[in-house]
Amino acid sequence: GAGVSQSPRYKVAKRGQDVALRCDPISGHVSLFWYQQALGQGPEFLTYFQNEAQLDKSGLPSDRFFAERPEGSVSTLKIQRTQQEDSAVYLCASSNSGTGVQPQHFGDGTRLSIL
Amino acid sequence: TQLLEQSPQFLSIQEGENLTVYCNSSSVFSSLQWYRQEPGEGPVLLVTVVTGGEVKKLKRLTFQFGDARKDSSLHITAAQPGDTGLYLCAETGANSKLTFGKGITLSVRP
Repeated sequence: GAGVSQSPRYKVAKRGQDVALRCDPISGHVSLFWYQQALGQGPEFLTYFQNEAQLDKSGLPSDRFFAERPEGSVSTLKIQRTQQEDSAVYLCASSNSGTGVQPQHFGDGTRLSIL
Repeated sequence: TQLLEQSPQFLSIQEGENLTVYCNSSSVFSSLQWYRQEPGEGPVLLVTVVTGGEVKKLKRLTFQFGDARKDSSLHITAAQPGDTGLYLCAETGANSKLTFGKGITLSVRP
């Protein structure tokens, strides 16, 4: 497709389980971003990749969160030992430049619910 | 980290009314973006403003960037039910990461 694709759209997990969220960016886009959006809030930055290099992971809330983009295309956000406070919508965005103000194109997100 | 404040937090109006919402910061913006997000979807970029005093129009939406580049407003003329959504302002920081405000939830009643 032409846009950013995220899967699954919805994920329900029990507290303590591990989850993996996938992002397929727009083809050829160099930059990829993950954001976390709690209910009623704006998105908050988690991490940033330029190609396969993770250049900024300052927004990851704990060492239970891990992201990778091994071939510079698809990215996976993994959360280990999930907690209830991890419940949120996880948004992925991509852009075609690593520098400057280039528009970020967002996927529709994965809504994660931790029971 | 720059704090972006958006107001009002919630707004419910009748179709055909005009409205203005705001995004403010204690620091100077390098550039500011406005997004609209509908339920179950990701944010969609509406406009980027860069120059102090800049005014941009997108159909019935008018965006203004303050002269001091510390505030911005979005004015909607003759609101339609299709304008309903969450309006987010965001600043681009280091590594192009976006810092968002909490958003303004707009509901336009038919």
